[in-house]
Amino acid sequence: DAGITQSPRHKVTETGTPVTLRCHQTENHRYMYWYRQDPGHGLRLIHYSYGVKDTDKGEVSDGYSVSRSKTEDFLLTLESATSSQTSVYFCAITKGADTDTQYFGPGTRLTVL
Amino acid sequence: AQSVTQLGSHVSVSEGALVLLRCNYSSSVPPYLFWYVQYPNQGLQLLLKYTSAATLVKGINGFEAEFKKSETSFHLTKPSAHMSDAAEYFCAVGGTGGGNKLTFGTGTQLKVEL
Repeated sequence: DAGITQSPRHKVTETGTPVTLRCHQTENHRYMYWYRQDPGHGLRLIHYSYGVKDTDKGEVSDGYSVSRSKTEDFLLTLESATSSQTSVYFCAITKGADTDTQYFGPGTRLTVL
Repeated sequence: AQSVTQLGSHVSVSEGALVLLRCNYSSSVPPYLFWYVQYPNQGLQLLLKYTSAATLVKGINGFEAEFKKSETSFHLTKPSAHMSDAAEYFCAVGGTGGGNKLTFGTGTQLKVEL
């Protein structure tokens, strides 16, 4: 158990609507990450955070924004969802002094119709 | 820039047979290398990681991987496959230091047959 919860676990939405996914951790770890998983692509980094209000872009950040106002929560927002954003989204954290190993949450399956 | 290539998107073995999943990497810095396993409808679970302490790395569930710098490889092996090993396996490469960003391979689906 990585100590991460993701909500919602499943969501179906329509093109053009805003969507926010939440990643929550309970142990005040510094680094948090958002990935998307698609068949044939593995996992690709969307955004990551290295502290409260400190975030940076990953490989596939277009169409996504993030916020981290508290250590325990890392929010991923799709401002206007598109069908190409249908995917499984995973949050990951590193723990304590080991900032090289990432531990993953259970994922959120998002379908954009 | 980092990259990972996993040869074979699907691998099928018989129960009790050797499991070999291939991973080749490219990195401009000494890499950290990882293998993760994903069971259906679950997140990724860390199997093992290489951090330069030893070239042969032992992980959970009887898996191990050997780092070969000359071949830029980090293949995953298990001497005897079990039905419970059926899952998708991902190799990943990262640099050192805080905020380590991982680059994943496209995954290998392992099927174990009776």
